[in-house]
Amino acid sequence: DIQMTQSPSSLSASVGDRVTITCRASQGISNYLAWFQQKPGKAPKSLIYAASSLQSGVPSKFSGSGSGTDFTLTISSLQPEDFATYYCQQYNSYPPTFGQGTRLEIK
Amino acid sequence: EVQLLESGGGLVQPGGSLRLSCAASEFTFSSYAMSWVRQAPGKGLEWVSAISGSGGSTYYADSVKGRFTISRDNSKNTLYLQMNSLRAEDTALYYCAGSNYDSIRFDYWGQGTLVTVSS
Repeated sequence: DIQMTQSPSSLSASVGDRVTITCRASQGISNYLAWFQQKPGKAPKSLIYAASSLQSGVPSKFSGSGSGTDFTLTISSLQPEDFATYYCQQYNSYPPTFGQGTRLEIK
Repeated sequence: EVQLLESGGGLVQPGGSLRLSCAASEFTFSSYAMSWVRQAPGKGLEWVSAISGSGGSTYYADSVKGRFTISRDNSKNTLYLQMNSLRAEDTALYYCAGSNYDSIRFDYWGQGTLVTVSS
């Protein structure tokens, strides 16, 4: 199975900040990488697919990059509604696997 | 707008069975590969099982292989997960999720149904 490792596991930031979350795959996955946002008590929401393509309706403050084994999610100008847990997921091969999550908290 | 609504969760004893359903609306269900993804309390996301749009191909995580069965009825726009021989470690919120672009890409999610395995 492909292991997905996110860093950091938790992150404190202030409103208006720009933050970056990294995701590393244990083997190359081309660009078959998605990012999700999950708020407490809610289902995950797809933000990005194919490493850098924004889902319809997702604001451009979210951006993704990377290919192969190393990927990043960047969120600019943090707003209160952005504080949540973020997951990466590879869909290059079965079984699809998720990172352990990055909890983004308000400083 | 794609809508997915899970049901069928509940409290079950170890060794028991449960059948989850996921009703889909507002899209061409048969063109979507669908999966079940679960989340244990306070934990991360774990893929459980997937099925192709036609239902002809199914896939399972090793942790549920031989105990869970995924199926779909495209005439009813409904996805199912039959769970047998349930264990305490199966306790989780179960989401259905899917995409019409890739079999294991999760563009759309339901709100989840809670399964608790306890005596």
